[in-house]
Formats: sequence, C-alpha cells, structure tokens
Amino acid sequence: GNSVTQMEGPVTLSEEAFLTINCTYTATGYPSLFWYVQYPGEGLQLLLKATKADDKGSNKGFEATYRKETTSFHLEKGSVQVSDSAVYFCALTGTGANNLFFGTGTRLTVIP
Amino acid sequence: GAGVSQSPSNKVTEKGKDVELRCDPISGHTALYWYRQSLGQGLEFLIYFQGNSAPDKSGLPSDRFSAERTGGSVSTLTIQRTQQEDSAVYLCASSSLWTRLNTGELFFGEGSRLTVL
Repeated sequence: GNSVTQMEGPVTLSEEAFLTINCTYTATGYPSLFWYVQYPGEGLQLLLKATKADDKGSNKGFEATYRKETTSFHLEKGSVQVSDSAVYFCALTGTGANNLFFGTGTRLTVIP
Repeated sequence: GAGVSQSPSNKVTEKGKDVELRCDPISGHTALYWYRQSLGQGLEFLIYFQGNSAPDKSGLPSDRFSAERTGGSVSTLTIQRTQQEDSAVYLCASSSLWTRLNTGELFFGEGSRLTVL
C-alpha cells in the first residue's frame, strides 16, 4: 500500500540555520511527491512537488529531490527564517490520484 | 469563492449529539476531499467526491460518518452520535480535474475544529 513516514518533531532552529526534514515513502507504481505547509491559523498549502524520479522541487528557498533508490523526499533549506515556522507535511499521490497520503507532520519553530 | 470555505470553524458538542460540517469548494472544482487531522496524527483521508458521486469512501471510520455533495459544489460531512474520539480538525480540499491529473495539488480550507465533550 501507500504510506509516508516523516521525521518526528518538533524541530527548533535558530534563524539562518540549515534545515532538513526527512521523509520516506512506500508506494506502488510511480507516485508524485509533495511537501505541504501549514502556517499558524491558515490552511494547508502546497510548498513544492516532484512528479518523477530525480526531479527536484523547489520554492521559497526550500528544495526536495525525488530519490527512487532510497524512496525518499527530504525537505531542505539552507537558511531558515522566523517566518518559516509552521507544520510541514510530506505527501504522495497514489495511482489514480484519487487522494493524497500524508505523513504525520513536523512542526518547525525558528527562533531569532 | 476565492478559496475553500469551511464552517463552522469551531464546534463544541456533547457526546451523543449529531454534527454537520460544511465545505464550499473553489468554484469550478469538480473534485472534493474530506480529511481528518487528529492531534499527533497525520491527515487521515475520509472520502473523495468527483462531482456529486463518491467513488472512494474507504476512509470513513464508521457508519456514524456520512457525507454528501449536491449540485457538484457544497459538501456536508455528518457525524452521528458523536464520540470523544471524533474530536479533531476536519479539513476539506478541492481540485480541478486538470490540476489533479497534472500536478496532484489540492487546495485546502482552514478546517473545522470539532471538540466532543
């Protein structure tokens, strides 16, 4: 079946620190992979995506590379800001794209 | 509307009561999804609508949960005889057919927080 395993949180970093949030997946077929972000008081929104192996998704300084050999899609950012404080969800679309399978979410807090 | 709208934003109810949660998707979006977000859990898929029909309702946790969609637009999630374990944030998302097939992106509302006392 399809599932996503995401790094446990919470994560607290100082401003300008390097961020990695690990995500691995199990899927049949060739899923698309996503990172969604939920800022305080807001709904989930798409941060970035990758639709095939070796693709790199990027947005707002965040990056993630679709690694088929390690079934991973780790989220990285070189220098986090206070405004990046949010909950980050890794997700995949299964065959038929009828729904997204989400990880448990990782809460990131960036302190000045 | 401009985004997915959900109501109520907060609902407190007593165990055993019925509740209805409403979702108004982005205009023109034919696909509509309900998810549940419990504390410490990921987003749990509940049901998916394409138009007014629900080809995948596999995530509904029990027969106390039901959902309908009318006019290809507004959807209502109904929970009968609520239990304390139903306490969660219920999220609705919508997508157009093109977006769903090409990017997989879903557009989420802010959710309805349900607390069952």
